[in-house]
Amino acid sequence: SQQGEEDPQALSIQEGENATMNCSYKTSINNLQWYRQNSGRGLVHLILIRSNEREKHSGRLRVTLDTSKKSSSLLITASRAADTASYFCAPDTGRRALTFGSGTRLQVQP
Amino acid sequence: DTAVSQTPKYLVTQMGNDKSIKCEQNLGHDTMYWYKQDSKKFLKIMFSYNNKELIINETVPNRFSPKSPDKAHLNLHINSLELGDSAVYFCASSDDERQFFGPGTRLTVL
Repeated sequence: SQQGEEDPQALSIQEGENATMNCSYKTSINNLQWYRQNSGRGLVHLILIRSNEREKHSGRLRVTLDTSKKSSSLLITASRAADTASYFCAPDTGRRALTFGSGTRLQVQP
Repeated sequence: DTAVSQTPKYLVTQMGNDKSIKCEQNLGHDTMYWYKQDSKKFLKIMFSYNNKELIINETVPNRFSPKSPDKAHLNLHINSLELGDSAVYFCASSDDERQFFGPGTRLTVL
């Protein structure tokens, strides 16, 4: 399968804590993307990391990529209640379509 | 301004009926997609169009027929609806890397 598999399936933390989600995939990639889905909404693009990059930051988000292990992680620092959502990774194999898993459901308790 | 819009947002119908979902994007993208998200939150690609041409057609029953009258619109017509078609359907467009999703259409087949 070309889809990413997120782990854990669900994560519950307190506001102010950091949240870490992991993604594993099986094929070689051009880039890997992370998306967020709030309840009842469409997915929103968060960050893209290219295959030749190891780490990328965007605001409170930090993404790492290890192509030798075919894995990525998304770290959200100082989480807020508004970060409550499902998070999906999408490995881009150049197929012109992304394949998503079932996501990590993050609950941030105020 | 809404980037990717879908109508309707909710669709409740009886088995055997035919229904359509409309999608429009004002981002100037050449590529558009239809995804299906099931109850377990897996998001699966159904179709992809590039400049009005079908480029990806996953294993989708031929009861589903996409139509792209121009590159800003990609509609989905579903014939003879079945209970298993109940899901949330998302339209998306792409700038060849990132994808931009519509708000989704929740289809319930009774």
